[in-house]
Amino acid sequence: AQSVSQHNHHVILSEAASLELGCNYSYGGTVNLFWYVQYPGQHLQLLLKYFSGDPLVKGIKGFEAEFIKSKFSFNLRKPSVQWSDTAEYFCAVNAPNTGNQFYFGTGTSLTVIP
Amino acid sequence: DAGITQSPRYKITETGRQVTLMCHQTWSHSYMFWYRQDLGHGLRLIYYSAAADITDKGEVPDGYVVSRSKTENFPLTLESATRSQTSVYFCASRLRGETQYFGPGTRLLVL
Repeated sequence: AQSVSQHNHHVILSEAASLELGCNYSYGGTVNLFWYVQYPGQHLQLLLKYFSGDPLVKGIKGFEAEFIKSKFSFNLRKPSVQWSDTAEYFCAVNAPNTGNQFYFGTGTSLTVIP
Repeated sequence: DAGITQSPRYKITETGRQVTLMCHQTWSHSYMFWYRQDLGHGLRLIYYSAAADITDKGEVPDGYVVSRSKTENFPLTLESATRSQTSVYFCASRLRGETQYFGPGTRLLVL
């Protein structure tokens, strides 16, 4: 089975600081990659996704992520966070050629201090 | 556009009782999933379904039962609830190879 690692469990930043959340996965074949966000008390919402093409993908609310195949990584970035970005962030991987399951990381809790 | 809905949103039950969590989607997505979310574990897949009448176990299926008689519904049943099944349960759906969309979740407390 594949695994997804999110090394940052809790991140605290001040508003306007830059953000980078790490995500590494274990599967060596073709992958689809996702970042989801979960605001307090809400369900998971898609931030961005990578299926193929340009490894730098842009999502909603100013987030972007870069797929680096050689490092098995898909790190999430935002140049300037806002208080409203306080949420839990989940990285997910799907290997379309091997099955239908999504594998999620354990999540990173981001707190942005005004 | 209702999307994907779950009911109930909150449930308190006692150990040993049977509980059914409902999931309904209006997109005609072929795939549906049940996850539980617990601190320190992220999201773990309980069961999934590729189509009506086709279901498969995920990472943590023990103590759960699912059915999929209709494409739009995917109920999850806890046959005899245990305290360890206290969790937040999310249903999700998608088309093959596409993005997965999540429901609002059901918070279940087993006393």
